[in-house]
Amino acid sequence: DAKTTQPNSMESNEEEPVHLPCNHSTISGTDYIHWYRQLPSQGPEYVIHGLTSNVNNRMASLAIAEDRKSSTLILHRATLRDAAVYYCILRDVTRGGADGLTFGKGTHLIIQP
Amino acid sequence: DTEVTQTPKHLVMGMTNKKSLKCEQHMGHRAMYWYKQKAKKPPELMFVYSYEKLSINESVPSRFSPECPNSSLLNLHLHALQPEDSALYLCASSRIQGRETQYFGPGTRLLVL
Repeated sequence: DAKTTQPNSMESNEEEPVHLPCNHSTISGTDYIHWYRQLPSQGPEYVIHGLTSNVNNRMASLAIAEDRKSSTLILHRATLRDAAVYYCILRDVTRGGADGLTFGKGTHLIIQP
Repeated sequence: DTEVTQTPKHLVMGMTNKKSLKCEQHMGHRAMYWYKQKAKKPPELMFVYSYEKLSINESVPSRFSPECPNSSLLNLHLHALQPEDSALYLCASSRIQGRETQYFGPGTRLLVL
């Protein structure tokens, strides 16, 4: 799977939007962009994924650049419970079969009350 | 039900002990995973089971012995561990096709004395 680059940490205020960037300049045409997050003392949890178009779900939105070399995870109104490490992971789903996730260092999101 | 359960939550063991970690899911997933996470580091893949057979071993030392007795259960048998094996051990499961979303348990925090 291609590599991703994320800022080590970001800080935001409660109830404000948060934009978490991810660079993936070597992305291939069949790589999906997945986001997982890990809250303190918990296992990672799936947040959202997309291929080319922007995606929304109840947790977040994913904005994908036109050239797909970068993406942004958007939390529309951050709460203290959104404080976590956010991981951006590329997955070539055409390869099929079960395969592990390759986690980068992720972004540690700090939410100030 | 999208829950993956892991027992025990915490485990302290000596270097001569034998212990086992257990993981269970009832989502009908046929892929199950073990990850290891050291403090302040991202999770790292250890093993993947597909249809109850070991499909990926990321060159893990033989003192870690995985077992998948049925499609809902995954064990990790531990023997003669070293203090540097102290970590959070995470279990995950997913459907097989298309490298599906993985669901993680809360982990077992292991301390080797």
